[in-house]
Amino acid sequence: GEDVEQSLFLSVREGDSSVINCTYTDSSSTYLYWYKQEPGAGLQLLTYIFSNMDMKQDQRLTVLLNKKDKHLSLRIADTQTGDSAIYFCAEVKAAGNKLTFGGGTRVLVKP
Amino acid sequence: GAVVSQHPSRVICKSGTSVKIECRSLDFQATTMFWYRQFPKKSLMLMATSNEGSKATYEQGVEKDKFLINHASLTLSTLTVTSAHPEDSSFYICSARDRLAGGETQYFGPGTRLLVL
Repeated sequence: GEDVEQSLFLSVREGDSSVINCTYTDSSSTYLYWYKQEPGAGLQLLTYIFSNMDMKQDQRLTVLLNKKDKHLSLRIADTQTGDSAIYFCAEVKAAGNKLTFGGGTRVLVKP
Repeated sequence: GAVVSQHPSRVICKSGTSVKIECRSLDFQATTMFWYRQFPKKSLMLMATSNEGSKATYEQGVEKDKFLINHASLTLSTLTVTSAHPEDSSFYICSARDRLAGGETQYFGPGTRLLVL
């Protein structure tokens, strides 16, 4: 299977919280990232977490890492219409510096 | 935050011509830059790793003679699509690592949309 997997689509109401999930297979991953891509644009780094951390919070964003289950999540509090985008999780393996991306989760925020 | 630019943002060319795409790190030095390709509604596919002053490392299945990479300085890498064909039409994105910042953070350019007619 793929190294990094994400669900394809998430629909959420404006003002609610969004949770985007990601699973990975390589236990030697050192850093895990969340990127946001708006239509026709490049990737914007939202946040990242080092593999020895369980949680990281940055304003409306909360990243949770369950290393045992190899599960990463991104929670967006008070989701806004401007949060509609594709969100990619990615990992860097210990052995190299190449990013491996998940397939991306398309988030649609409804008013 | 660190800024990476790409030029051009979009290009349309005839089949058989070559197209050069530039990737620049504007406010930091990048010993390593990466080139990705993204198909519509798909994830990013790493094409090659570009190292300043040395040859690029290509991923399996990527033709190095087709996609020429030059990383002549710490702030510039170029990708040249040689003898472009319609199947090369895609969104090409570069990223760069800040050599002084440490860690493994990559900053991405805004992408270049290539359409080959």
